[in-house]
Amino acid sequence: DSGVTQTPKHLITATGQRVTLRCSPRSGDLSVYWYQQSLDQGLQFLIQYYNGEERAKGNILERFSAQQFPDLHSELNLSSLELGDSALYFCASSGRGALGEKLFFGSGTQLSVL
Amino acid sequence: EDQVTQSPEALRLQEGESSSLNCSYTVSGLRGLFWYRQDPGKGPEFLFTLYSAGEEKEKERLKATLTKKESFLHITAPKPEDSATYLCAVQAVKSGYSTLTFGKGTMLLVSP
Repeated sequence: DSGVTQTPKHLITATGQRVTLRCSPRSGDLSVYWYQQSLDQGLQFLIQYYNGEERAKGNILERFSAQQFPDLHSELNLSSLELGDSALYFCASSGRGALGEKLFFGSGTQLSVL
Repeated sequence: EDQVTQSPEALRLQEGESSSLNCSYTVSGLRGLFWYRQDPGKGPEFLFTLYSAGEEKEKERLKATLTKKESFLHITAPKPEDSATYLCAVQAVKSGYSTLTFGKGTMLLVSP
């Protein structure tokens, strides 16, 4: 158990809908990362937060947004969903997001857009 | 753009048959190379971090090595429980923040 909790584990929805994925980092970790994993693209970095502030942005679509709350949990919001958004979404956390720090990953949310 | 290429995509071994997985990378300003293990339906689990060419790290039947252009994950006398997807990732600094770029992984299956 990595200590990172993601909910829900599975999500099935329709095109055009909006969903929210939730992540609780390991106790004491200030940095949260969101990744998308698909069979053809592998693990793609979406966005990173550190202590409530956005720190880095990767290949995140404008339809997607995230935030980190004062209690350090994070939410990833996906809107106007398309079939191609179906993927595994992982949250990871680390202490300070510093160089060399290893990331601890949650078990992921499997999103299926029908 | 940082690139990480892992080979082979899939590898099937008999129990006890040693082999190596390759991770070649192109990155400006490498700050660290990470190996992770991912089991089906689970998130990646950290294995090793390597920082400089010539560095080696070991854990049970796994040994990771690093050169200036690639890293190898050597698996000695593997067991069925070593079956998983092994991911390599490179860390660099871009515009003042660190980035972690993953390869697509090598799916390892060890048969009894």
